[in-house]
Amino acid sequence: GAGVSQTPSNKVTEKGKYVELRCDPISGHTALYWYRQSLGQGPEFLIYFQGTGAADDSGLPNDRFFAVRPEGSVSTLKIQRTERGDSAVYLCASSTRGGAAYNEQFFGPGTRLTVL
Amino acid sequence: AQSVTQLGSHVSVSEGALVLLRCNYSSSVPPYLFWYVQYPNQGLQLLLKYTSAATLVKGINGFEAEFKKSETSFHLTKPSAHMSDAAEYFCAVRGGNQFYFGTGTSLTVIP
Repeated sequence: GAGVSQTPSNKVTEKGKYVELRCDPISGHTALYWYRQSLGQGPEFLIYFQGTGAADDSGLPNDRFFAVRPEGSVSTLKIQRTERGDSAVYLCASSTRGGAAYNEQFFGPGTRLTVL
Repeated sequence: AQSVTQLGSHVSVSEGALVLLRCNYSSSVPPYLFWYVQYPNQGLQLLLKYTSAATLVKGINGFEAEFKKSETSFHLTKPSAHMSDAAEYFCAVRGGNQFYFGTGTSLTVIP
């Protein structure tokens, strides 16, 4: 079956611009996660959705970052007034449900964002 | 709070040699631990996970890891390295709604 997909695979933008990154989770997965992976680092948590609602957004670095999941499936990560420090690979993951601690998260290939 | 530390950002082994990638964890509760592998330009793929059922966990591609509470470790091993094992490996611990990842270990396999 299809895995987690993310579009675009690469995004180059200029400082100050607005960008949207899309994640299409595995069908039927109710839990969705966004992570950011900077060069040479492990993924860092940004936000977690259970269904349509953001159950935990404690990892969002500031109010320029926002994410939505209006129908409980596809999610969009939105970054306003991009800064060079936002350059990273943004990873999306989904899971059958978020509550069980041992549940595996299935990761997409990521979107590489470069802010010039 | 949960965290993991991966010792050695780069590890090189000869083809056919033992692979040992180190991970130590810090957790205030019984941990759920995971090892993921990341190939270039691909997403993270689960190798194995520890969920307290057994201390020795076997995963895919011949990898295994042993949970040692006394050492707060969850090291990843494979008896014989293959060229296809060259990748980035991440240890992670589940904490609340998220995973906390280590900084990763890049494995190089020398022919």
